Amino acid sequence: EADIYQTPRYLVIGTGKKITLECSQTMGHDKMYWYQQDPGMELHLIHYSYGVNSTEKGDLSSESTVSRIRTEHFPLTLESARPSHTSQYLCASSELRETGYEQFFGPGTRLTVL
Amino acid sequence: RKEVEQDPGPFNVPEGATVAFNCTYSNSASQSFFWYRQDCRKEPKLLMSVYSSGNEDGRFTAQLNRASQYISLLIRDSKLSDSATYLCVVNGGMNSGYSTLTFGKGTMLLVSP
Repeated sequence: EADIYQTPRYLVIGTGKKITLECSQTMGHDKMYWYQQDPGMELHLIHYSYGVNSTEKGDLSSESTVSRIRTEHFPLTLESARPSHTSQYLCASSELRETGYEQFFGPGTRLTVL
Repeated sequence: RKEVEQDPGPFNVPEGATVAFNCTYSNSASQSFFWYRQDCRKEPKLLMSVYSSGNEDGRFTAQLNRASQYISLLIRDSKLSDSATYLCVVNGGMNSGYSTLTFGKGTMLLVSP
């Protein structure tokens, strides 16, 4: 089992609130990722990091921001939540193997914005 | 054109059946290929990597055709526990680096008794 954790697992919040989704991994991986996934749809990469103090935007535009102050921690923040942000957010970290970078996922945070 | 395209599902099969999933990818520079499995309302988990020469892991066989940019997954002797969504995954993305992954939408498999 991968040692990657996300909190909260479920969050229901009102429009306009600031929220932070937490993600931590204990595997010492440098590379970490945030994905957004709507029901029945594919995962979309919204942010990634190659290591401490490195953050990049992914393939899908997102109003969220991320930070990477410590290797093990990669939180995602929404300054002002809106109903359009309702989705599942999945955090992952990766390790270089013979076949390339294999990613390990956390259990996800299901966010509902009312 | 989507970067990774998979068979639309769901596939409904009886226990013991053999089922094949197909996938095509658009980024000819992709070097790493995987199949992930995602159970309902859970996170994706790596099922197997796909080697250039093809590879087998128990009842699962993966094939890669770089010339056609095509990947396949064959499941033999389907079990009820194989019911899940199978995601075709390649490295590299539209705007991101090659240590990132691009996921297909997935093909749902439903195995019935």
